Amino acid sequence: AQTVTQSQPEMSVQEAETVTLSCTYDTSESDYYLFWYKQPPSRQMILVIRQEAYKQQNATENRFSVNFQKAAKSFSLKISDSQLGDAAMYFCAYRIMEYGNKLVFGAGTILRVKS
Amino acid sequence: EAQVTQNPRYLITVTGKKLTVTCSQNMNHEYMSWYRQDPGLGLRQIYYSMNVEVTDKGDVPEGYKVSRKEKRNFPLILESPSPNQTSLYFCASSLTGLWGTEAFFGQGTRLTVV
Repeated sequence: AQTVTQSQPEMSVQEAETVTLSCTYDTSESDYYLFWYKQPPSRQMILVIRQEAYKQQNATENRFSVNFQKAAKSFSLKISDSQLGDAAMYFCAYRIMEYGNKLVFGAGTILRVKS
Repeated sequence: EAQVTQNPRYLITVTGKKLTVTCSQNMNHEYMSWYRQDPGLGLRQIYYSMNVEVTDKGDVPEGYKVSRKEKRNFPLILESPSPNQTSLYFCASSLTGLWGTEAFFGQGTRLTVV
């Protein structure tokens, strides 16, 4: 079964602090891509960061970085220097070659940023 | 501007009344798909299309139909909507079906079936 688990339904962080959102997944595939999407109140799905499974180096995009542990099937998102605009629902997802190349999503984590 | 456009953004309808949610992309993408988003379940794929005239079922296809007559359009059809199809729907497209390509999402359609 292909599943993605986000164990934190909701997280809070103080502005300018760092927060880590956790994600674990289950797949028997060896090649796949992992993604974090942000969904603000506008409902728009925005790609935050992506990671190729065969690359050991963790991806970074400005204040966003991931901790990818392939053996543990873990893909956490770290947000540094949190800003009010980071408040949103965050979805972890992976995409595999088979099964129509679909994105398999977790249930999401609501991130609240306190000023 | 490169985008995926869905219409309508909000829709309230009654059980059994056929409806269509349109999706159009202007990026010449081959791959398009529909997802529904429900609380606690994330997004789940309904149908996808690898290219014109090529469509296939996703994880939750029951009660839905799609067509891909042109590359840019991928409408979602609910022939006889039921209350359990009340959800937030997203259309997405990507250049190809390859797993590394970025998916671009529409703005979402909030559907309520009463």
